[in-house]
Amino acid sequence: GESVGLHLPTLSVQEGDNSIINCAYSNSASDYFIWYKQESGKGPQFIIDIRSNMDKRQGQRVTVLLNKTVKHLSLQIAATQPGDSAVYFCAENLSSGSARQLTFGSGTQLTVLP
Amino acid sequence: EPEVTQTPSHQVTQMGQEVILRCVPISNHLYFYWYRQILGQKVEFLVSFYNNEISEKSEIFDDQFSVERPDGSNFTLKIRSTKLEDSAMYFCASRLVLETQYFGPGTRLLVL
Repeated sequence: GESVGLHLPTLSVQEGDNSIINCAYSNSASDYFIWYKQESGKGPQFIIDIRSNMDKRQGQRVTVLLNKTVKHLSLQIAATQPGDSAVYFCAENLSSGSARQLTFGSGTQLTVLP
Repeated sequence: EPEVTQTPSHQVTQMGQEVILRCVPISNHLYFYWYRQILGQKVEFLVSFYNNEISEKSEIFDDQFSVERPDGSNFTLKIRSTKLEDSAMYFCASRLVLETQYFGPGTRLLVL
């Protein structure tokens, strides 16, 4: 069958505002989650991670929230800057298996408006 | 800061030809991965490699694909007979022991 490109959710925010990017993950057995940022033509860049025994973790200007009850992850970016414009992916690790390969979400395109 | 590197950045090939994509993982890392991303789609897992053998592979990673760590630094992905649908960005990633995987910049493969 024909392969259809993924419709990417988009989020536009004013420079200086806070951004919240959401992700629904698929597997209740996942025990580790990562947010990656991907700029056009580049590889995924690690932003922040969180284990399933936590519900919140803060980094520099970023906070990740985990709600295991509804299998929901969010990334909050404070004081969004033009350099934050990119596609943001959440990724999950299953607790089983030694390979610990990542399963990526579909991504959100963040655009920071001047 | 150490980083994963990949060569070439772009590769154009004819359908049916063999391609080898190369990666140099972060030097003290132990686990190595290949992922691919078809234009506009999700990043998809292909294969993981540890202790000189494949530890897991996805259904995408069929007999046309192989991986090798020929020396202490390089990690390669070979596609024996490329198909049009192999056109994608191919990302190498590595990790030490903890789960964080660090990705390279990718190789854009175009099969004509």
